[in-house]
Amino acid sequence: DIQMTQSPSTLSASVGDRVTITCRASQSISSWLAWYQQKPGKAPKVLISEATNLQRGVPSRFSGSGSGTEFTLTISSLQPEDFATYYCQQYNTYRWTFGQGTKVEIK
Amino acid sequence: EVQLVQSEAEVREPGQSLKISCKASGYSFSNYWIGWVRQMPGKGLEWMGIIYPDDSDTRYSPSVQGQVTMSADKSTSTAYLQWSSLKASDTGMYYCARNFGDGLLSHLGYWGQGSLVTVSS
Repeated sequence: DIQMTQSPSTLSASVGDRVTITCRASQSISSWLAWYQQKPGKAPKVLISEATNLQRGVPSRFSGSGSGTEFTLTISSLQPEDFATYYCQQYNTYRWTFGQGTKVEIK
Repeated sequence: EVQLVQSEAEVREPGQSLKISCKASGYSFSNYWIGWVRQMPGKGLEWMGIIYPDDSDTRYSPSVQGQVTMSADKSTSTAYLQWSSLKASDTGMYYCARNFGDGLLSHLGYWGQGSLVTVSS
């Protein structure tokens, strides 16, 4: 199975900071990567699909980049509602896999 | 509007069976893959498998193959996840989620609210 490795596992940041989360795939997944945001007690919500495609209704401060094996999720100016856990997920093959998650905490 | 409504929280003892549900509405149930994702307490997301309701084509993660059964009832637009013999390690939150696109390789665009399963003696 394709392994997805996120870094960092935890990130402490302040409101207004630029935040970057990295996701690496154990083999090429082209652009078949999604990013999800999960808040405590809630279901995940998709932010970005196909590595760079911002979902409808998601604020433009979120952006995704990358292809092949290296991907990033960037939040250009962190807002209070962005403190959450973020997961990447590959869907290049039907055995989908998630990264282990990155928790964005208040500094 | 696409909606996935899951069954309520369940408490079972080890060795008991369980079937949880995910009722879909707002789209053609038969034509979109529905996946199941589990989240153990305090842990990350784990993909369990996916089913195509039209013909019940099912793909399981190796980690759950043989441990759970996924099914779908087109007449009621409901997907199911079942266990025949629960273990304490099955305790967790289980989410159903629908592919955004109508193909197999798609991100999970719509999610249920989750079903909490607690297995304890």
